[in-house]
Amino acid sequence: GAVVSQHPSRVICKSGTSVKIECRSLDFQATTMFWYRQFPKQSLMLMATSNEGSKATYEQGVEKDKFLINHASLTLSTLTVTSAHPEDSSFYICSARDSGRYTDTQYFGPGTRLTVL
Amino acid sequence: AQTVTQSQPEMSVQEAETVTLSCTYDTSESNYYLFWYKQPPSRQMILVIRQEAYKQQNATENRFSVNFQKAAKSFSLKISDSQLGDTAMYFCAFLQGAQKLVFGQGTRLTINP
Repeated sequence: GAVVSQHPSRVICKSGTSVKIECRSLDFQATTMFWYRQFPKQSLMLMATSNEGSKATYEQGVEKDKFLINHASLTLSTLTVTSAHPEDSSFYICSARDSGRYTDTQYFGPGTRLTVL
Repeated sequence: AQTVTQSQPEMSVQEAETVTLSCTYDTSESNYYLFWYKQPPSRQMILVIRQEAYKQQNATENRFSVNFQKAAKSFSLKISDSQLGDTAMYFCAFLQGAQKLVFGQGTRLTINP
């Protein structure tokens, strides 16, 4: 299957700082990428849909000014957690949509564990 | 809105046994995709198998196969000859058109030696 990378895999930061997470589709172009948050022992919660060259679409209850998303190219989307607080500590996962003529599948990155002290 | 339900929070079987994970969904659409994703302890989401709703034939990937019952809106995953490496959370997911993936709550599968 297609490969999606995510960097960093782990990050620890102080409260009030900003953290950027990168998501890259390595062997296909993705006009659409997604950002999820996952709490322990729960399913994935969609935060936002990232569209190349346009503004992201945020799910209800997700603060767009806190979770900045940029999708500047067909292979890269970034999520910046601004002014992070301990309650933002979580596991963040990105996915990239491979929507060719014969497929429509999301492939996931390995995730980023964010710990805010 | 589409919903996906996995009614088995946890399952446990012995190595080499066959296990079936259940998934039902609700939609009024006729064209869509269904997926099973696996999330092992590493937390990497791995695509196990996909099914296009317009295909009557059940998808198969080696030891993994599905029983897709479109009229019943059921999409179960069968794992044959289960292996220790199959231990993971399994998520059923639904995709229609350009919309977002809708996930089930997940089933925690443990394969015992």
